[in-house]
Amino acid sequence: QVQLQQWGAGLLKPSETLSLTCGVYGGSFSGYYWSWIRQPPGKGLEWIGEINHSGRTNYNPSLKSRATISVDTSKNQFSLELSSVTAADTAVYYCAKAWHYGDYGIDYWGQGTLVTVSS
Amino acid sequence: QTVVTQEPSLTVSPGGTVTLTCASTTGAVTSGFYPNWFQQKPGQAPRALIYGTSNKHPWTPARFSGSLLGGKAALTLSGVQPEDEAEYYCLLYYGGAVVFGGGTKLTVL
Repeated sequence: QVQLQQWGAGLLKPSETLSLTCGVYGGSFSGYYWSWIRQPPGKGLEWIGEINHSGRTNYNPSLKSRATISVDTSKNQFSLELSSVTAADTAVYYCAKAWHYGDYGIDYWGQGTLVTVSS
Repeated sequence: QTVVTQEPSLTVSPGGTVTLTCASTTGAVTSGFYPNWFQQKPGQAPRALIYGTSNKHPWTPARFSGSLLGGKAALTLSGVQPEDEAEYYCLLYYGGAVVFGGGTKLTVL
């Protein structure tokens, strides 16, 4: 049973950098893609990007210039940094586990972290 | 800009059957888009239901099924239960990029 536990700062000022980390407990860390997804209040889901254990990344083109996803395989953790945040980046941020073998799927999700950007 | 569209809202009676669909602005949805479906209830993280068009996760109730229908991905709920009232999101895979649909709010009434 895989569990994803995420943490990070919940209140930021405009122009600051958002930083979140997700720890993976149980199951294998290698062989999967570790994803970040966000949901603005009252709105739908938006895929931010993903990273595998080797550090290979894929990003949403609309966020690629500001988003950086990194991995620490020694701790079974992966992180998201989003630079130059604005109010439009206010959202619940989720980490999730995905795979690309033969098909594509997401199964396990973190609990979500509300990040508010306000001056 | 690729957009994935879903019905904004649907209503179904308890015990009834309802089909939600997921379309892509790039054209017909095929198995190569590996459609996924998720259920989200207020204040909760999404829960995965279907991957690769029609495959269920171990925890997915039998009344949920996925398919391709008329160039779209589809999620069918048969014998709807009151607890199925939720927001449902589809996901399509575009070869290294992922796009979620806007969601369907399903009301059980």
